[in-house]
Amino acid sequence: GQQVMQIPQYQHVQEGEDFTTYCNSSTTLSNIQWYKQRPGGHPVFLIQLVKSGEVKKQKRLTFQFGEAKKNSSLHITATQTTDVGTYFCAANSGYSTLTFGKGTMLLVSP
Amino acid sequence: ETGVTQTPRHLVMGMTNKKSLKCEQHLGHNAMYWYKQSAKKPLELMFVYNFKEQTENNSVPSRFSPECPNSSHLFLHLHTLQPEDSALYLCASSQDSSNTGELFFGEGSRLTVL
Repeated sequence: GQQVMQIPQYQHVQEGEDFTTYCNSSTTLSNIQWYKQRPGGHPVFLIQLVKSGEVKKQKRLTFQFGEAKKNSSLHITATQTTDVGTYFCAANSGYSTLTFGKGTMLLVSP
Repeated sequence: ETGVTQTPRHLVMGMTNKKSLKCEQHLGHNAMYWYKQSAKKPLELMFVYNFKEQTENNSVPSRFSPECPNSSHLFLHLHTLQPEDSALYLCASSQDSSNTGELFFGEGSRLTVL
């Protein structure tokens, strides 16, 4: 079945540093979604990208969908301790089921 | 506060017990899902219901039995589970199961099988 590879698995940054997580697929994707799960919490939807080369911003978060629609990234500028959590991408191609990546766990030290 | 409510939040059961997980959504959605979240593994889709009809069973062992009496309620009946079934079980809902809309997750039921 379709696989979505997400890297890195884990990143520890100092508050104020930037952070990026990447999501890659060997197949062309129809759309990609990003979720955040706080420690002890449940996944919460952040955004969906549909168009080739699409870039969307939410305050300090920037989401990109690759031109070939096979990869995506989430970039956080000047991280804060409230950004701590695991960030998941989820994608599907055609009529396939939404497939989640393993997630990137972000730890931010004050 | 979430529009998807799961009970119980925590459950400990023996391998011979029978228990059920309950999920209720207050969002008027037509699709509901069960996911399993284990450590170091991606979220695993177990079952999908769209307009009360099961549209996907992702090769889940028969010791997990879903039930969807209406579009707002979803159950996961558990019997003769194994220790490796210990995990966080997440219920989610979406407008429909077309994979084009966001998923709304409940807070999960943390299951421990002894």
